[in-house]
Amino acid sequence: GENVEQHPSTLSVQEGDSAVIKCTYSDSASNYFPWYKQELGKRPQLIIDIRSNVGEKKDQRIAVTLNKTAKHFSLHITETQPEDSAVYFCAASITGSARQLTFGSGTQLTVLP
Amino acid sequence: NAGVTQTPKFQVLKTGQSMTLQCAQDMNHNSMYWYRQDPGMGLRLIYYSASEGTTDKGEVPNGYNVSRLNKREFSLRLESAAPSQTSVYFCASSEGVGLNTGELFFGEGSRLTVL
Repeated sequence: GENVEQHPSTLSVQEGDSAVIKCTYSDSASNYFPWYKQELGKRPQLIIDIRSNVGEKKDQRIAVTLNKTAKHFSLHITETQPEDSAVYFCAASITGSARQLTFGSGTQLTVLP
Repeated sequence: NAGVTQTPKFQVLKTGQSMTLQCAQDMNHNSMYWYRQDPGMGLRLIYYSASEGTTDKGEVPNGYNVSRLNKREFSLRLESAAPSQTSVYFCASSEGVGLNTGELFFGEGSRLTVL
């Protein structure tokens, strides 16, 4: 089955700096890649997703890039703010079905004031 | 709109005891899921339901049973709890069925400790 590795496990940045979280996947057939954000003690929430027919997607300060050849995708957060502090999970799915989502192990992002 | 509601939020059990986690969604979603979240392991799917009366095993189904009572409700039962089932459990729902099921909407989580 699919295997998703996520790095780093923890990341600290100064407020205003950029943060990058990287994930690699094993199954070249995967075609749907969402990112979920989980604030401390809260539920995970989708922040952005990308499908394999595009290489990059942006939404205000966040962007996701996908390299199908290398089988990795990354989350980029620019101009980080304290409210960006959370655990971020990447995931991959072969069919686009949530039933077959495989999650990464998570990255704890801390934005230092 | 409450979204996805799950109860209880916290529970402590002794080894061998049973309990049921309840989940309900008011978004008229077709698909519902139960995940467990353990430190350093992300979210792992326990069971999935595409519609009322249908359920399917996920990655880690051993020791659990589920019931899709109707379109709104999806319960998770631990028949004989073990310390390895100490975890945070999340119920989730999504609109679609099959391919392209879309965004997962999660409940607030249930923290279960088995002594």
